[in-house]
Amino acid sequence: QKEVEQDPGPLSVPEGAIVSLNCTYSNSAFQYFMWYRQYSRKGPELLMYTYSSGNKEDGRFTAQVDKSSKYISLFIRDSQPSDSATYLCAMSSDYGQNFVFGPGTRLSVLP
Amino acid sequence: EAGVVQSPRYKIIEKKQPVAFWCNPISGHNTLYWYRQNLGQGPELLIRYENEEAVDDSQLPKDRFSAERLKGVDSTLKIQPAELGDSAVYLCASSLNPPPAGGYTFGSGTRLTVV
Repeated sequence: QKEVEQDPGPLSVPEGAIVSLNCTYSNSAFQYFMWYRQYSRKGPELLMYTYSSGNKEDGRFTAQVDKSSKYISLFIRDSQPSDSATYLCAMSSDYGQNFVFGPGTRLSVLP
Repeated sequence: EAGVVQSPRYKIIEKKQPVAFWCNPISGHNTLYWYRQNLGQGPELLIRYENEEAVDDSQLPKDRFSAERLKGVDSTLKIQPAELGDSAVYLCASSLNPPPAGGYTFGSGTRLTVV
């Protein structure tokens, strides 16, 4: 079993849909969680960062962490074609260091 | 502000040949990372530098991979000799230490194809 797993996708949704992207993990020591967006042939860019359990909202994006279930989610409201990318979750037990990435979920938002 | 700059963007080499990748991090970022990203996978850490010191190279295949970070700024990652399985995107990232809000800034990567 891999340390961090994601739904592989690809996921296709119509413009305006609510998107849910999910990761599960096995290491209960993880307490720092990030979501990255990666466009084709580009490096990942940080979208959201959360610490421990709870929710965090930034514009159309909401990150949720449920440490008891070892499950994190990223919600995208009113999805746009420009949101089409691969979304990577990453997590660490050590602040700022040694982040482990999931394999990514490829999302396509269709106009 | 310029981001993390990597070169070359693409490289095609024959197996058993050497190859080198270069990274220029964001000015003032003392932590530098090299990651490898295989097709359809997330990035995997190869080596992390704090200034010029390699503080985590446990995942670097030292029989063929080497890295250096001169004067704590630019860094070079080398593979010699390259194998078919080394085909991947090599990403460089940098951050302050500790990184604000947990984030690294990644470059666009070097896409290596070994034939």
